[in-house]
Amino acid sequence: GQQLNQSPQSMFIQEGEDVSMNCTSSSIFNTWLWYKQDPGEGPVLLIALYKAGELTSNGRLTAQFGITRKDSFLNISASIPSDVGIYFCAGGKDSNYQLIWGAGTKLIIKP
Amino acid sequence: NAGVMQNPRHLVRRRGQEARLRCSPVKGHSHVYWYRQLPEEGLKFMVYLQKENIIDESGMPKERFSAEFPKEGPSILRIQQVVRGDSAAYFCASSALPRDTEAFFGQGTRLTVV
Repeated sequence: GQQLNQSPQSMFIQEGEDVSMNCTSSSIFNTWLWYKQDPGEGPVLLIALYKAGELTSNGRLTAQFGITRKDSFLNISASIPSDVGIYFCAGGKDSNYQLIWGAGTKLIIKP
Repeated sequence: NAGVMQNPRHLVRRRGQEARLRCSPVKGHSHVYWYRQLPEEGLKFMVYLQKENIIDESGMPKERFSAEFPKEGPSILRIQQVVRGDSAAYFCASSALPRDTEAFFGQGTRLTVV
């Protein structure tokens, strides 16, 4: 089946540092989405990307839809404690609701 | 506005019992999607329903699993004769538009089969 490779699997960073994570696939996607999931909660949509090359920001978050349509990255600038959680990428094709999800990047902020 | 409400939040069932998971979508949303999440993994699509119709159940196991979204009341995901491998978090999402990527997710039901 189709897979998204999300990396890194986990990140230990200091508060204030910038964070970068990415997703790659051997398949082309029409949509890339980035979600955050807190423990015991459902995923919350952070950024949605619909066009190859698109670069979109949401506050301290910036995400890009790769030109090849096979990858996407998410950057978080100046991390703060509430950024802790698991970040998921998800790719969509024609039937967009059937998203293919990455395995997640766990973000941990060192005190 | 209330978001997507799922209940129960936690459900423990013995092997062979039935599990019924409920999802009340955002008010006014008529499209519901169910996903399953195993520990340390992303979500996997199970089924997409509109009011009184199953649109796509291609991600749902053919046996023991069923879903409905009646005209009145919540959407129900039903798992009969549960097995240990059914232990997972089950998430429901809803949208106002059909086949919408940007659906809103509930908090999930964590099913544990003992």
